[in-house]
Amino acid sequence: NAGVTQTPKFQVLKTGQSMTLQCAQDMNHNSMYWYRQDPGMGLRLIYYSASEGTTDKGEVPNGYNVSRLNKREFSLRLESAAPSQTSVYFCASSEFGGTGANVLTFGAGSRLTVL
Amino acid sequence: DQQVKQNSPSLSVQEGRISILNCDYTNSMFDYFLWYKKYPAEGPTFLISISSIKDKNEDGRFTVFLNKSAKHLSLHIVPSQPGDSAVYFCAASAARVGTYKYIFGTGTRLKVLA
Repeated sequence: NAGVTQTPKFQVLKTGQSMTLQCAQDMNHNSMYWYRQDPGMGLRLIYYSASEGTTDKGEVPNGYNVSRLNKREFSLRLESAAPSQTSVYFCASSEFGGTGANVLTFGAGSRLTVL
Repeated sequence: DQQVKQNSPSLSVQEGRISILNCDYTNSMFDYFLWYKKYPAEGPTFLISISSIKDKNEDGRFTVFLNKSAKHLSLHIVPSQPGDSAVYFCAASAARVGTYKYIFGTGTRLKVLA
C-alpha cells in the first residue's frame, strides 16, 4: 500500500520556468490537498479538492494552478516560477465525507528550488 | 490572519518527563482538530485527533485536551522519549459546515534530552 506518492522529490528551476508536481493516492480518498512548508510559516494550504471534479483555493493560491485529473491524481502547476516559490511541497489526501476518519495522509514531499 | 497559532517555536524536555505542546485557534467554526509529527525530510504523520464533542482523547502516551471556551488545545506526551524529538503541528477544520480544508499552525520543535 503506497499511500500518497509525489513526483519529483527534488527539482531546481530557473525563474520563469514552468513545472508540474504530480500526486497520486491509492486509498480511494475523496479529498486531496497541496500544502507548502516554509521555515517559521508551518504548513500553508495552496489548493484543495474536496471531491473529484472540484477544486478550491486555500490560503496561498497565487502563482499556482491545480488539476484534479481523476479520483486518484491531483497535480500542482507553477506556470512561471519565482524565487518566492522555493519551498517543500506536500500533497495529502483524506476520506473527508466518507465513513472513515477525516485524517490527512501526507506524501513524502517535493523540494523545489527556484533560482 | 493566523487562524491556528502555536506560540512556542521550540520546547526542550528531559527524557521521561511530560511534554506539553499548545495550540490556539480563533475561528469558532472549527470543530475537528488533528496533531501531526514531522521528522526532517519526511511527510507529516498523524498522531491523534479530537472532535469538538469531546474535551479529551487518549492514545497510548499521547493525550489531547480541548478547551472550547478558550479556543485552546494541548498535546501531552507522557513519558517523553528521545524518538519523540520532531516538529509537531496542530491543524483545525470546520467539518460540520462542510469545509474540507485543514488549517495548520506554524509548528513546535520538540527536543527530548536523554
